[in-house]
Amino acid sequence: AQSVTQPDIHITVSEGASLELRCNYSYGATPYLFWYVQSPGQGLQLLLKYFSGDTLVQGIKGFEAEFKRSQSSFNLRKPSVHWSDAAEYFCAVEPDTGNQFYFGTGTSLTVIP
Amino acid sequence: EAQVTQNPRYLITVTGKKLTVTCSQNMNHEYMSWYRQDPGLGLRQIYYSMNVEVTDKGDVPEGYKVSRKEKRNFPLILESPSPNQTSLYFCASSPSGASYNEQFFGPGTRLTVL
Repeated sequence: AQSVTQPDIHITVSEGASLELRCNYSYGATPYLFWYVQSPGQGLQLLLKYFSGDTLVQGIKGFEAEFKRSQSSFNLRKPSVHWSDAAEYFCAVEPDTGNQFYFGTGTSLTVIP
Repeated sequence: EAQVTQNPRYLITVTGKKLTVTCSQNMNHEYMSWYRQDPGLGLRQIYYSMNVEVTDKGDVPEGYKVSRKEKRNFPLILESPSPNQTSLYFCASSPSGASYNEQFFGPGTRLTVL
């Protein structure tokens, strides 16, 4: 079945440490890929997106993500986490089949001082 | 201020009592969509609309209706709500139907069906 998988339900990191959130998808070809962040009690905000070209994309708030076609992955990274990064992160896919979006189950990030 | 608004933000209702959650955007966006968010399931798309009078089913359309009579509004209608529709609902919009556009999300509506 087609899916978007975020294998880590919850991650805890220390402030200043590096971060990597995993996302794998099973849709064919090269879908459009997104990472969104949801702060507590808020709606979702786009961090970054990939459509084509350079497989390393830069986003807001110092985040980046790398598309790896061979691994069907689109992992999100940040070199140094800030306490304000504590939130829930969602990977999303649009399989280029008509504007229908699929979200992963999310990864909750806790940042400890 | 450019935004997506939803009303109400919180709603408690009973099984079978028809309700409508409104969604409005002031950005002249063509594409609008409804999602529900449930613990452990992430966001799932209910319906989306590419433009006025054009709507399509998402992943979980059962028990929901939508309409797009005006570009700015995209109400979500539950004709006969059931407890399994208790969820957090988000409306979103984007400039056009093209997938590469960012979706702008509303603040969410927390619905409880007793």
